[in-house]
Amino acid sequence: GENVEQHPSTLSVQEGDSAVIKCTYSDSASNYFPWYKQELGKRPQLIIDIRSNVGEKKDQRIAVTLNKTAKHFSLHITETQPEDSAVYFCAASMGRGSYIPTFGRGTSLIVHP
Amino acid sequence: GAVVSQHPSWVICKSGTSVKIECRSLDFQATTMFWYRQFPKQSLMLMATSNEGSKATYEQGVEKDKFLINHASLTLSTLTVTSAHPEDSSFYICSASQQNTEAFFGQGTRLTVV
Repeated sequence: GENVEQHPSTLSVQEGDSAVIKCTYSDSASNYFPWYKQELGKRPQLIIDIRSNVGEKKDQRIAVTLNKTAKHFSLHITETQPEDSAVYFCAASMGRGSYIPTFGRGTSLIVHP
Repeated sequence: GAVVSQHPSWVICKSGTSVKIECRSLDFQATTMFWYRQFPKQSLMLMATSNEGSKATYEQGVEKDKFLINHASLTLSTLTVTSAHPEDSSFYICSASQQNTEAFFGQGTRLTVV
């Protein structure tokens, strides 16, 4: 089955700095890569996603890049703000009609004011 | 995005009793629902995948007789933790998906077994 590795497990930055979280996946059949943000005790929220036919996608301060050859994808957050502090999960899906995602272990992002 | 509602948000039960958690898709028909378990500071671990009208598919290591899943309609799936024990205490989250779209999560249920 699919295996998703996510790094780093914790990331501490100053407000205004950029943050990058990296994930690798094992199954070349995976074709959908969502990123979720989870605040303490709350549900994960989809923040951005990318499909395998696209190399990069951007939404305001958030961007995701995908390298299919190397089987890795990254989340980039620019101009970080304290409210960006949360746990971020990457996921990879084999797209078997129902997009069952395999999640990375998560990255705890702390943005210091 | 789509709305998935999960109830209850938290529950405390005595060891040996059973607890039922409901997951509803409010504004769409969910062909597939997923049940996850999340321990503190850990990732979401898929327990089972359920398709409406058929038996759930359980992940390796998940006891199907302990975690009963029913997906009787396109808008409702239930997870029943039978004969709960303290080690079953965890955060349980459901998600629902239409075919070929991303999954949307319920708000989660904090289960504490005493």
